Amino acid sequence: KQEVTQIPAALSVPEGENLVLNCSFTDSAIYNLQWFRQDPGKGLTSLLLIQSSQREQTSGRLNASLDKSSGRSTLYIAASQPGDSATYLCAVKTYSGNTPLVFGKGTRLSVIA
Amino acid sequence: DGGITQSPKYLFRKEGQNVTLSCEQNLNHDAMYWYRQDPGQGLRLIYYSQIVNDFQKGDIAEGYSVSREKKESFPLTVTSAQKNPTAFYLCASSIGGKGAEKLFFGSGTQLSVL
Repeated sequence: KQEVTQIPAALSVPEGENLVLNCSFTDSAIYNLQWFRQDPGKGLTSLLLIQSSQREQTSGRLNASLDKSSGRSTLYIAASQPGDSATYLCAVKTYSGNTPLVFGKGTRLSVIA
Repeated sequence: DGGITQSPKYLFRKEGQNVTLSCEQNLNHDAMYWYRQDPGQGLRLIYYSQIVNDFQKGDIAEGYSVSREKKESFPLTVTSAQKNPTAFYLCASSIGGKGAEKLFFGSGTQLSVL
């Protein structure tokens, strides 16, 4: 059974700092991996989706990488801003049938002005 | 605007009562999902549906029921058999199929027990 782990559970950084969020998964046979952002009391917003054949995806100040063989993904946020404060979740879709996404518990990020 | 609408935003349940959470999408997506989120926890899958009139149990389906009579609607009923229903409930949809399955989420319903 696929398990997704995110470390650290919480992170606090000063504004302007570059940071990395980590995601690991136990079954490397995945279709894709997604990174989501969740603001308090809100739904999730998809940030980046990496297909299993890709190594990375970029959107603005965000860069997500994928290393299937080691079961790891990282989300890099450049020049962090207070508006980046939120919980970031990663989720993987495995190959088996129509199995939906398996989510990690998220990393709660606080960017201090 | 295209999107997913969940209602109500807040819902209170009395002991022994069934309550229904609404989820409607106008994205023309085939697949729809219900997740439960507890504080500090990841999302856990309750039910999902790939096509109309068909749905499958997720990891924590006990005490819940769903229907998929229309493509755009996927209501979730929390029955009295669910003994710990207090949580944040999220509905999602995707185009469907395998591969590039980007998920779109509603804004959630917070369910509490009176």
